Amino acid sequence: AQSVAQPEDQVNVAEGNPLTVKCTYSVSGNPYLFWYVQYPNRGLQFLLKYITGDNLVKGSYGFEAEFNKSQTSFHLKKPSALVSDSALYFCAVRDRGSTLGRLYFGRGTQLTVWP
Amino acid sequence: DADVTQTPRNRITKTGKRIMLECSQTKGHDRMYWYRQDPGLGLRLIYYSFDVKDINKGEISDGYSVSRQAQAKFSLSLESAIPNQTALYFCATSDPSGGRAYNEQFFGPGTRLTVL
Repeated sequence: AQSVAQPEDQVNVAEGNPLTVKCTYSVSGNPYLFWYVQYPNRGLQFLLKYITGDNLVKGSYGFEAEFNKSQTSFHLKKPSALVSDSALYFCAVRDRGSTLGRLYFGRGTQLTVWP
Repeated sequence: DADVTQTPRNRITKTGKRIMLECSQTKGHDRMYWYRQDPGLGLRLIYYSFDVKDINKGEISDGYSVSRQAQAKFSLSLESAIPNQTALYFCATSDPSGGRAYNEQFFGPGTRLTVL
């Protein structure tokens, strides 16, 4: 069974500090991994994805994520947080061996960046 | 994403009423999805469609039905709404063409549904 865990409901950081939003996953095969962001009253926006190759993936708005196969993790990071990064972040996984193409989402992590 | 639109954006209805949520896309994608979002539960898949003739149940399809009227349109119906269907509903699309099955999904702005 596929599943995604985001162990922190909330992450609070000061502006200018590095941020990390954690994600671990469970799939029966090899994963495709995604991060999405949701701003208030908006739909989800794609940030970045891991397909294969380099374990460090760079995405939109200065975000990056590191794929760690041994720890089955895909943590989202940013070296210097901005107040405008405050939003709800979702990790998602898809089993690349599946023909169905559906994503499994985590419960979301609310990131608050304090000025 | 303006390429995926949902109507209505907000709806308040009463228990037992039939309601339809509509999704349209101009991306030309074959695959379309309906999710519901509840606080603390993330997104859960209701139904998905890989083309006009292919519709599949997701993890929480009970109480819902869908119609894929055209490649660009995918509607979600609640035949007899109940209060625990109060949620934020999202439509999404994706394009697996060229073997790019890892392509991301594009989401509409959501419909906030309240069932009294």
